[in-house]
Amino acid sequence: KAGVTQTPRYLIKTRGQQVTLSCSPISGHRSVSWYQQTPGQGLQFLFEYFSETQRNKGNFPGRFSGRQFSNSRSEMNVSTLELGDSALYLCASSPGTAAGAQYFGPGTRLLVL
Amino acid sequence: AQSVTQLGSHVSVSEGALVLLRCNYSSSVPPYLFWYVQYPNQGLQLLLKYTSAATLVKGINGFEAEFKKSETSFHLTKPSAHMSDAAEYFCAVSDPATNAGKSTFGDGTTLTVKP
Repeated sequence: KAGVTQTPRYLIKTRGQQVTLSCSPISGHRSVSWYQQTPGQGLQFLFEYFSETQRNKGNFPGRFSGRQFSNSRSEMNVSTLELGDSALYLCASSPGTAAGAQYFGPGTRLLVL
Repeated sequence: AQSVTQLGSHVSVSEGALVLLRCNYSSSVPPYLFWYVQYPNQGLQLLLKYTSAATLVKGINGFEAEFKKSETSFHLTKPSAHMSDAAEYFCAVSDPATNAGKSTFGDGTTLTVKP
């Protein structure tokens, strides 16, 4: 099976702009989770989507939003970008069951100038 | 709430030596536990997982971990380090009731392997 893919891999934006990141999960996986990874804060959970519904949510401001499509592909949007949003954004897919481990994509590295 | 503490942000071993990366967790419910590895400029790769079956879990690349409830630990070991094991390792915990789609990660341990 093909792995998790994320596009784009690299992105440069300026403060105030918005950005949309895309994630295609492993075929058959219904759950997609998003994480932000920074040197200072480590890996932080953003949200999880399962069957087009947000199932879990982390402690991020409303500027961070996501959605999932009927084919399980997911997008994450960040509006009004801040310098502190510079990070590696990782997408992970899983079958969606309790014991299902997560499989991560390579990430999108976002730099906000 | 759940949390993970990885003791030692940097661990250095010689090639062929034992690898021991420490992870302690805090959870109000019986947790699911995971170890992941991250190579530079890549995503995380699952090494192994504990989901309440056998307490000694074997993973890929010769790694294994033992779940010890009394010590709230899930340390990762490998009998003999290889140069290719140099990477960052993350321990993660999830609540089975909210499924593995939401995991809490430790701060990571960078493993250096000396020739």
